[in-house]
Amino acid sequence: EAQVTQNPRYLITVTGKKLTVTCSQNMNHEYMSWYRQDPGLGLRQIYYSMNVEVTDKGDVPEGYKVSRKEKRNFPLILESPSPNQTSLYFCASSSRLAGPTGELFFGEGSRLTVL
Amino acid sequence: DQQVKQNSPSLSVQEGRISILNCDYTNSMFDYFLWYKKYPAEGPTFLISISSIKDKNEDGRFTVFLNKSAKHLSLHIVPSQPGDSAVYFCAASSLFGNEKLTFGTGTRLTIIP
Repeated sequence: EAQVTQNPRYLITVTGKKLTVTCSQNMNHEYMSWYRQDPGLGLRQIYYSMNVEVTDKGDVPEGYKVSRKEKRNFPLILESPSPNQTSLYFCASSSRLAGPTGELFFGEGSRLTVL
Repeated sequence: DQQVKQNSPSLSVQEGRISILNCDYTNSMFDYFLWYKKYPAEGPTFLISISSIKDKNEDGRFTVFLNKSAKHLSLHIVPSQPGDSAVYFCAASSLFGNEKLTFGTGTRLTIIP
């Protein structure tokens, strides 16, 4: 089954404690991206990657890091989480062959709370 | 700077009637538009898209209309069904951009049985 898998789905942590949200896709997609969803703000892009070892900032990259060492994985790293990073996070992937950005396939989301 | 705007946070429609969800954009470089649907506790799923060379695209009960001069697109669902109750996001991208998809804030559609 084609899917994007995120872990953990739910996490409560404290300010400053480094955490990583993993994302893996099994569709051999070149493009992967991270979004956060906040009330009244919709989905905002954090980082994206067009292929292995190629990453770039989205609209709200501050406080986040990413890496793309393998095509299937695109982890999101919060080195020192702060309460304003409490949000619902989505990882997504697409094939660039499908169009300018392709139809994005999203994971089920990771709800993060930073106390 | 919200380049893609959905001015109605919520919309309620009777089952069987037409649902019309609206989306406005400000960036004239956008030339590809998509609608995504999101159920609670799930990720968004692609619904329908339209290229700027068209003004209408239809897929079953879903039709997207694009008015480039007004920088406006709309999603029509007819007839509306209870399973259509969800949050709908419009999104836009530019062929000559950085392959970034810019999303609107979403509209929560509730279909009343």
